[in-house]
Amino acid sequence: DVKVTQSSRYLVKRTGEKVFLECVQDMDHENMFWYRQDPGLGLRLIYFSYDVKMKEKGDIPEGYSVSREKKERFSLILESASTNQTSMYLCASSWSPTTDTQYFGPGTRLTVL
Amino acid sequence: GENVGLHLPTLSVQEGDNSIINCAYSNSASDYFIWYKQESGKGPQFIIDIRSNMDKRQGQRVTVLLNKTVKHLSLQIAATQPGDSAVYFCAEFSGYSTLTFGKGTMLLVSP
Repeated sequence: DVKVTQSSRYLVKRTGEKVFLECVQDMDHENMFWYRQDPGLGLRLIYFSYDVKMKEKGDIPEGYSVSREKKERFSLILESASTNQTSMYLCASSWSPTTDTQYFGPGTRLTVL
Repeated sequence: GENVGLHLPTLSVQEGDNSIINCAYSNSASDYFIWYKQESGKGPQFIIDIRSNMDKRQGQRVTVLLNKTVKHLSLQIAATQPGDSAVYFCAEFSGYSTLTFGKGTMLLVSP
């Protein structure tokens, strides 16, 4: 079974703090994704990566950056957290560009005070 | 997430009924579709997928129907159980390696 894990289930940070969210997948997937999920807005893509050291902006990249130094690990970084970044953050991975089922982690509920 | 069900259309059924959840997709060029289930506090879970060269695909207790003419996708769940209570959403893929997700429907199953 595909396993996607996220470093924290719940996180509370203060405005202005730098926040790291980590995601690890164990299936050698090429593609990894970061989404945020908010009531009424559904899943919105922040960033994704096709390969190590590669990244592409999604629909809402502002205020976020990402890092993919190893194939299995994709990190989402909030350089200076703000209250409007309070959300559920979901990581996903998929096998290749032509096999597109995305498998999700359990999510990180981030609260920025 | 815990609040993912807020603001969503809701389908309420009795245990044992068949459920039908609908999804309208936007891009006529989309060629791959997925249904996900998301239980409270968990990440979305893959249920079933279908490619555009098919109009029906069956899994265990679930069937997905695709009508490309009207850009409509449906998920049928047979003999719905309380454990099926969750938010269900569809996703479409149009060839650029990113999925576009629907907002979802909350399914509530009463014993």
